Amino acid sequence: DGGITQSPKYLFRKEGQNVTLSCEQNLNHDAMYWYRQDPGQGLRLIYYSQIVNDFQKGDIAEGYSVSREKKESFPLTVTSAQKNPTAFYLCASSRQGDEQYFGPGTRLTVT
Amino acid sequence: RKEVEQDPGPFNVPEGATVAFNCTYSNSASQSFFWYRQDCRKEPKLLMSVYSSGNEDGRFTAQLNRASQYISLLIRDSKLSDSATYLCVVKGTEGTGGFKTIFGAGTRLFVKA
Repeated sequence: DGGITQSPKYLFRKEGQNVTLSCEQNLNHDAMYWYRQDPGQGLRLIYYSQIVNDFQKGDIAEGYSVSREKKESFPLTVTSAQKNPTAFYLCASSRQGDEQYFGPGTRLTVT
Repeated sequence: RKEVEQDPGPFNVPEGATVAFNCTYSNSASQSFFWYRQDCRKEPKLLMSVYSSGNEDGRFTAQLNRASQYISLLIRDSKLSDSATYLCVVKGTEGTGGFKTIFGAGTRLFVKA
């Protein structure tokens, strides 16, 4: 089955800890994206990557970091510098210029 | 002005009703348009692409008006299972030569029995 997987589905961390969210796709898509969604809000772009070993900041990159060492993988690290990390994090992928397909998301709660 | 604006909603309709969602976009150079559906606490899923000639998929019809920079989604004979948030998505090129995708905030639909 082709698709996008994110793990874990739920994640709990203490304030001050860095945490890495996993995103893997086997759709052979070049582009991958990370979004954040807060309750009742739209999607906000954190980072995106159009090709391996290259990525760009989105609209709300502060406090986050990414890497794109493999085409299939685009992990997101939420650092302790992110002031309000509790949110629903969605990973997506696409062929260049085409529609995006989303993973099931990770709900991060930081207390 | 937001790059992509949708009706604020929510829409509350009875089963069987016809409901229309509207979306406007600010970038006249936008190239691709989509409607996504997002169920509560789930990921967005592609509902349909929107073509210049309009397109229909069963009870769903999408239309694009480039002159007015306006996209619409019509749901006929609405079902309880249509209850969800509908997201308007616009994609266009950006200055670096890549693609930029903008998601609308979404319009929540409640279909009641």
